[in-house]
Amino acid sequence: GAVVSQHPSWVICKSGTSVKIECRSLDFQATTMFWYRQFPKQSLMLMATSNEGSKATYEQGVEKDKFLINHASLTLSTLTVTSAHPEDSSFYICSARVNRGRTDTQYFGPGTRLTVL
Amino acid sequence: RKEVEQDPGPFNVPEGATVAFNCTYSNSASQSFFWYRQDCRKEPKLLMSVYSSGNEDGRFTAQLNRASQYISLLIRDSKLSDSATYLCVVNGPAAGNKLTFGGGTRVLVKP
Repeated sequence: GAVVSQHPSWVICKSGTSVKIECRSLDFQATTMFWYRQFPKQSLMLMATSNEGSKATYEQGVEKDKFLINHASLTLSTLTVTSAHPEDSSFYICSARVNRGRTDTQYFGPGTRLTVL
Repeated sequence: RKEVEQDPGPFNVPEGATVAFNCTYSNSASQSFFWYRQDCRKEPKLLMSVYSSGNEDGRFTAQLNRASQYISLLIRDSKLSDSATYLCVVNGPAAGNKLTFGGGTRVLVKP
């Protein structure tokens, strides 16, 4: 399958600081990437769709000014959690969409575990 | 009603046994279906796509029933390494071609 990387894999920060998470497609170009969040014992919830060269599309209830997404190239999307608070602590996972034959498939990055103190 | 529903389990399975579980989806316009596997504190990994005719990949068999709007996953000859959470995932134009995840079914294979 396609390879997607994320950095950092985990981060601990103080409340009020901003945290930037990078998502890279390593062996393919991705015009569309997705950002998900997963709280303990819950399923993945889509936060936003990141489109190369244009603004991200946010899901209902996700604050675009708090979760800044930039998709500046075909292999890189970044998510910045601004002024993070303890309730933002979660597992953030990106994915990239690839068209493989009969259907589009999404491959996920390894995730970033954010803990806000 | 959730768009994609799964029995959360856990399904406790003796090693070597067969386990099967379903997932129901609410949007009849859904077009693509997948099973992903997620290990604890890891990202989801694609297990298999689910095709209308049903498909098999080694010990794993997936079926799609469009009339009743459910998909199933069957695992034969369970291995200890099959212990994981299995996520049912649905994709379709009504959702803007975005994936919708079920809550996952936890499977525990025991010796």
